[in-house]
Amino acid sequence: NAGVTQTPKFQVLKTGQSMTLQCAQDMNHNSMYWYRQDPGMGLRLIYYSASEGTTDKGEVPNGYNVSRLNKREFSLRLESAAPSQTSVYFCASSAQTGGFEKLFFGSGTQLSVL
Amino acid sequence: SQQGEEDPQALSIQEGENATMNCSYKTSINNLQWYRQNSGRGLVHLILIRSNEREKHSGRLRVTLDTSKKSSSLLITASRAADTASYFCATPYGGATNKLIFGTGTLLAVQP
Repeated sequence: NAGVTQTPKFQVLKTGQSMTLQCAQDMNHNSMYWYRQDPGMGLRLIYYSASEGTTDKGEVPNGYNVSRLNKREFSLRLESAAPSQTSVYFCASSAQTGGFEKLFFGSGTQLSVL
Repeated sequence: SQQGEEDPQALSIQEGENATMNCSYKTSINNLQWYRQNSGRGLVHLILIRSNEREKHSGRLRVTLDTSKKSSSLLITASRAADTASYFCATPYGGATNKLIFGTGTLLAVQP
């Protein structure tokens, strides 16, 4: 079972370059998320999408855009990468069960911005 | 700012010992979840406790919740080397059940 698939796994960018991180889930989940993880900071929510066609800001949305392309896919775009965006990015999806969301995570994208 | 804060930041124990880690949060919640992250991997859901529950068990895991203190604890009994990982608490934030905020995590090292 694939679960949540993220591409690419590693990426190096120069300051000012743009790129899109791709995420797809095959569990028919309604909600999808993008988090970033930095040492000592835990995971911080960038954007989330409660359902197809909707997106909302999380804790740290500045410098990012997202697209919920369809129910399966949720992409994260960096328009002009900055060194502060060097991080590990995780995509997740969830389905509401009994009033709560249980998240399923991808394996992450390690991004370095030089 | 982070919704949840875990302590300790790091914990090193011997195999067979119990490990306890704590999470504090800032606003009212209706549930709290714990996740585990093995090095270089994504997070995996471990257990959920609802706000009307005080304690919950799942295998070697025991979770407690004290809503008056806005805190939770995760106890792993009879730890194994395979339990070595980072552990995070997560809570719904801003009234949205699908907006989960994670704490800073506890890095647990279990020495064989």
